[in-house]
Amino acid sequence: NAGVTQTPKFQVLKTGQSMTLQCAQDMNHEYMSWYRQDPGMGLRLIHYSVGAGITDQGEVPNGYNVSRSTTEDFPLRLLSAAPSQTSVYFCASREGQGRDEQFFGPGTRLTVL
Amino acid sequence: DQQVKQNSPSLSVQEGRISILNCDYTNSMFDYFLWYKKYPAEGPTFLISISSIKDKNEDGRFTVFLNKSAKHLSLHIVPSQPGDSAVYFCAARGGSNYKLTFGKGTLLTVNP
Repeated sequence: NAGVTQTPKFQVLKTGQSMTLQCAQDMNHEYMSWYRQDPGMGLRLIHYSVGAGITDQGEVPNGYNVSRSTTEDFPLRLLSAAPSQTSVYFCASREGQGRDEQFFGPGTRLTVL
Repeated sequence: DQQVKQNSPSLSVQEGRISILNCDYTNSMFDYFLWYKKYPAEGPTFLISISSIKDKNEDGRFTVFLNKSAKHLSLHIVPSQPGDSAVYFCAARGGSNYKLTFGKGTLLTVNP
């Protein structure tokens, strides 16, 4: 098992550009999430999904879109990047309700100039 | 409003001694608590968890204690090893709510 994979590892964008952060898991997990980590802020939930076709907003959803067309993939889209979105982004997955051990990907470091 | 608080940004201990990392929470609906460990340039990894029906859970060198009346939990690492040096996040969830709420993390440094 590869676990949770994320691409790219690093990305630099200019303000206003759009991009998609990719996330995939091969553990057949129902639940997937996107977090951002900023210095002194811990991990904050952006969006999450409890299964294919079902997504919902987390704590800091503005400026981000997600979709879940398959169990394996959960891409995060930045529609118009802003410097405030400079952060490290982590995707996570977990088996299902009652199993709280989340498996995290290695992260994507995004810089918006 | 920060519902999960880790008030110590950093902690330094000597190898072989005990490391105690603390976490406080404010939401009475939280019923499950987890600790994650994170090395630089890697994703967090699950370390240990505890349900609110317990007051202690142990896994090798790691023990988590929960004091519900004080809304406080702590992670004990005995004995501490240099490889334990990492950022430790406390997280909590409540009832059927899927979402995990994380603290800001504590950087543990174990000196040889």
